[in-house]
Amino acid sequence: NAGVTQTPKFRILKIGQSMTLQCTQDMNHNYMYWYRQDPGMGLKLIYYSVGAGITDKGEVPNGYNVSRSTTEDFPLRLELAAPSQTSVYFCASTNRGAFNEKLFFGSGTQLSVL
Amino acid sequence: TQLLEQSPQFLSIQEGENLTVYCNSSSVFSSLQWYRQEPGEGPVLLVTVVTGGEVKKLKRLTFQFGDARKDSSLHITAAQPGDTGLYLCAGGGYAGGTSYGKLTFGQGTILTVHP
Repeated sequence: NAGVTQTPKFRILKIGQSMTLQCTQDMNHNYMYWYRQDPGMGLKLIYYSVGAGITDKGEVPNGYNVSRSTTEDFPLRLELAAPSQTSVYFCASTNRGAFNEKLFFGSGTQLSVL
Repeated sequence: TQLLEQSPQFLSIQEGENLTVYCNSSSVFSSLQWYRQEPGEGPVLLVTVVTGGEVKKLKRLTFQFGDARKDSSLHITAAQPGDTGLYLCAGGGYAGGTSYGKLTFGQGTILTVHP
């Protein structure tokens, strides 16, 4: 069972460069999320999607964009990388989006912007 | 903005000791989840509590949801080196609203259990 797969695992960007963090899940989940994790700060929600074609902002969306053209894929785009975007990024998914439902997380992408 | 304050941030103990991690908020949550995260991996769910006053046990781990659903605690009995990791609490659901599965996370507690 693959679950939630994120690529790449590590990436170093220069200030101003762009990149796309890939996320795909094979559980046919409707709800998908992007979180960033900074030391001592827990996880902060960047964007989420409740189904193909539907996305919405989370707590910290500035500097990021997302799209959801299929149920399986939820890429996160950084257009002009800044040092403040140095973080570990996690993609997650869940089936019904209920308040008590388990989130399935990918293994993360560690991004450094220098 | 809902906030979850987790304490302590760091915990370093010897094998066999007991410990408690706390998760507090001024907001009411419909559910409280606890996740454990290993280095280089994503968080993995340990337990979900949804009823005020609820207590759940998972082997040596005991989880409690406060009566007012604003706080939770994780107690580990006789800690083992295998318990080492980052523990995260996460609140789900909002009174009178639709959460779409979004979670509010605490800052995390880094637990190190020495042999």
